[in-house]
Amino acid sequence: EVQLVQSGAEVKKPEKSLKISCKGSGYSFSSHWIGWVRQMPGKGLEWMGFIYPDDSETRYSPSFQGHVTISADRSINTVYLQWSSLKASDTAMYYCVRQNAGGWIDTWGQGTLVTVSS
Amino acid sequence: DIQMTQSPSSLSASVGDRVTITCRASQHISNSLAWYQQKPGKAPKLLLYGASRLESGVPSRFSGGGSGTDYTLTISSLQPEDFATYFCHQYYTTPLLTFGGGTKVEIK
Repeated sequence: EVQLVQSGAEVKKPEKSLKISCKGSGYSFSSHWIGWVRQMPGKGLEWMGFIYPDDSETRYSPSFQGHVTISADRSINTVYLQWSSLKASDTAMYYCVRQNAGGWIDTWGQGTLVTVSS
Repeated sequence: DIQMTQSPSSLSASVGDRVTITCRASQHISNSLAWYQQKPGKAPKLLLYGASRLESGVPSRFSGGGSGTDYTLTISSLQPEDFATYFCHQYYTTPLLTFGGGTKVEIK
């Protein structure tokens, strides 16, 4: 069974850094685009970006380019989403997602709630 | 970038009703469209891909159609468990994706 298991909820103060993780299992981790989708409270889904673990090629939505960093460690089948300086507006649920060979998202992680508050 | 406009943003319906949700792309996406259902506090669940192909295990009351820039999700007979929010996303520009704004289906 294909699974994406994300790290737990985080509460951080503004301007702090944060790195959340997503571990894939049940498939060939290196050969699928995997990335992140944001959902702000009561709002819709926003695609943030993807990484291809085999060669670490990364694509970002223009809305998130420069604000977050997506990375991967193939040796432990894990993808990361990182902020260097959090803002209150980063408060949201973040979903790890896998894009299958056909191009659509076929697997979602359980979500990581990030709360940024002073 | 391809923009996805989903309508309506919300609707009220009764059990047994036929419900149709629309996603319009800002350019042709060649049936590269998927639909998801999301219930409160849960991750989205894949319903259809390729505009009209039903994901395994999804009830046949869900169907998808359309072509070019305009696509629809239809629930033929709304069931109590179908009250949820529905999203589309285009993957024509894979791996770059775009989501529609969502449609909340509420009980009338």
